[in-house]
Amino acid sequence: DIVLTQSPALAVSLGQRATISCRASQSVSISRYNLMHWYQQKPGQQPKLLIYRASNLASGIPARFSGSGSGTDFTLTINPVQADDIATYYCQQSRESPPWTFGGGTKLELK
Amino acid sequence: EVQLVESGGGLVQPGRSMKLSCAASGFTFSNYGMAWVRQAPTKGLEWVATISYDGSSTYYRDSVKGRFTISRDNAKSTLYLQMNSLRSEDTATYYCTRGVYTTDYFDYWGQGVMVTVSS
Repeated sequence: DIVLTQSPALAVSLGQRATISCRASQSVSISRYNLMHWYQQKPGQQPKLLIYRASNLASGIPARFSGSGSGTDFTLTINPVQADDIATYYCQQSRESPPWTFGGGTKLELK
Repeated sequence: EVQLVESGGGLVQPGRSMKLSCAASGFTFSNYGMAWVRQAPTKGLEWVATISYDGSSTYYRDSVKGRFTISRDNAKSTLYLQMNSLRSEDTATYYCTRGVYTTDYFDYWGQGVMVTVSS
């Protein structure tokens, strides 16, 4: 199985840039496709798709969210961070499935 | 508007069974693969099972193989998860999700239904 590793938490100030990383135990890229996706989950709510295939913004997601990366290293960037962005962020790979695997989540906190 | 509404959760004793349902609306259900993803209390997300758009292919995580069955009724736009021989480690919120190209990412999620396995 492909294991995805995320830092448990990140503290950021409002208006600043937040960079959340996800590292895969093996490459999740096939030719030009980077099969890494990002979700946001606020307390008591279901997850919501933010970014698909590493860098594509999902429908209705603000442009302050962006994604990048390839191979084994991926990044979700929020710039600037707003109060509504305080949540837990998960990466997920679909390069090798089943199983589809998720990272452990990064909790974005206010500094 | 895409909507996924789960039902059927609750408290169940270890070793017993429970069936979850997910009513879909706002899209052509028979065109999409679907999946169940769960989240134990205070834990992260864990994929459970996936079914192809026509039900011909199903996939399960190892820990539920032989105990859980995912199925669908395209005429009723409903997804199911039959859970047998439940264990305490199956305690979680179960989310119904829509799969893009069945085997890629999950673009819509239901609000979730809680399953508690305890005596």
